[in-house]
Amino acid sequence: GAVVSQHPSRVICKSGTSVKIECRSLDFQATTMFWYRQFPKQSLMLMATSNEGSKATYEQGVEKDKFLINHASLTLSTLTVTSAHPEDSSFYICSARSVGEGYTFGSGTRLTVV
Amino acid sequence: SQQGEEDPQALSIQEGENATMNCSYKTSINNLQWYRQNSGRGLVHLILIRSNEREKHSGRLRVTLDTSKKSSSLLITASRAADTASYFCATKAGGGNKLTFGTGTQLKVEL
Repeated sequence: GAVVSQHPSRVICKSGTSVKIECRSLDFQATTMFWYRQFPKQSLMLMATSNEGSKATYEQGVEKDKFLINHASLTLSTLTVTSAHPEDSSFYICSARSVGEGYTFGSGTRLTVV
Repeated sequence: SQQGEEDPQALSIQEGENATMNCSYKTSINNLQWYRQNSGRGLVHLILIRSNEREKHSGRLRVTLDTSKKSSSLLITASRAADTASYFCATKAGGGNKLTFGTGTQLKVEL
């Protein structure tokens, strides 16, 4: 079945630094990738949708300059949290989809900003 | 917010019992999906039901959909300790790609 690899699974960074999270579709070409944020014991909130080769579409309230999304190829999307602050600490999950297929989720990244 | 509501928020049952979770949503949908999430992990797709279907089965899972009430239920029969996880419904509407997730039910199955 379809597999999405997300790295790193955990990252701790200092305030003010940037962190990059990678999401790769291993055995299929993902025309669309999604990035979600999840707070403890809460649901997934969609941050942005990215299509290969075009700019990401951000949901209302998500700062595009803070959460940089790049979908440079059909198998790779990255989320960079720039100038991270403690309030950015959260669980980030990516999802990938190819045309006509279902959604496959990565295993998530636990970001802690200290 | 377009987010759906799920109830109960938390459910604790004994192994062997059935677990029922309910999901309500707000807009017309193409399909509704149920996902499972183990603590600190990604989501695993369980089952999809289309808007023109009323009931669907997959192993120990049974999903119903009532579009007139904008609601769905997930029944897990003969639960096992390994079923302990959070369960989310997600809806897809219109021609877009986006999934909108419900608030989730945390299921705990005790031995």
